[in-house]
Amino acid sequence: SQELEQSPQSLIVQEGKNLTINCTSSKTLYGLYWYKQKYGEGLIFLMMLQKGGEEKSHEKITAKLDEKKQQSSLHITASQPSHAGIYLCGADHLDRNAGGTSYGKLTFGQGTILTVHP
Amino acid sequence: DTGVSQNPRHKITKRGQNVTFRCDPISEHNRLYWYRQTLGQGPEFLTYFQNEAQLEKSRLLSDRFSAERPKGSFSTLEIQRTEQGDSAMYLCASSLVMGLGNEQFFGPGTRLTVL
Repeated sequence: SQELEQSPQSLIVQEGKNLTINCTSSKTLYGLYWYKQKYGEGLIFLMMLQKGGEEKSHEKITAKLDEKKQQSSLHITASQPSHAGIYLCGADHLDRNAGGTSYGKLTFGQGTILTVHP
Repeated sequence: DTGVSQNPRHKITKRGQNVTFRCDPISEHNRLYWYRQTLGQGPEFLTYFQNEAQLEKSRLLSDRFSAERPKGSFSTLEIQRTEQGDSAMYLCASSLVMGLGNEQFFGPGTRLTVL
């Protein structure tokens, strides 16, 4: 979707290296969701960010949402082969016509294919 | 297993045939979403329900597509007169909307191949 740009499209790293995936929205976000997907399977929920400046961590994965709520980054520390997969950001955009609440549906980026070499 | 389930997991059909997919959401989740994903792309929104009411449909959802959630629990997505362009992964997600959060949990998907 042009409303949501994700970069890079693919990433190949050596095990143990750190990496960052970025997600930029052309519209103000109500919420930003990060998912991981294995090829041919469903999406696994990782984290949700809603407040400007918010940062959340789970194991070696940290996600941040900028103050203006239009950009998010996903950072993996000391990558492992188990981190390999497709990472997707999903945007729940702000619906100003509905009192500043959520649209509800998610708009996704194209995804980032992460390969981790042992 | 208390996650979202989808059936069938795979469906191969001939062009022109009708197909129906089923989604069972997480128990007590009030919202249910359908998305479509093609190779190399992120999922695209199709439609969603709050309880049994269908609240929004994407322009992607042509009149050959219909979705129902008759009792506010499971949902079905039917595609009539399938076309080769309908080949995709159809994903279902559910969420419990209370207050601010709307974490959507996805099922494993139904992969449709139209020959």
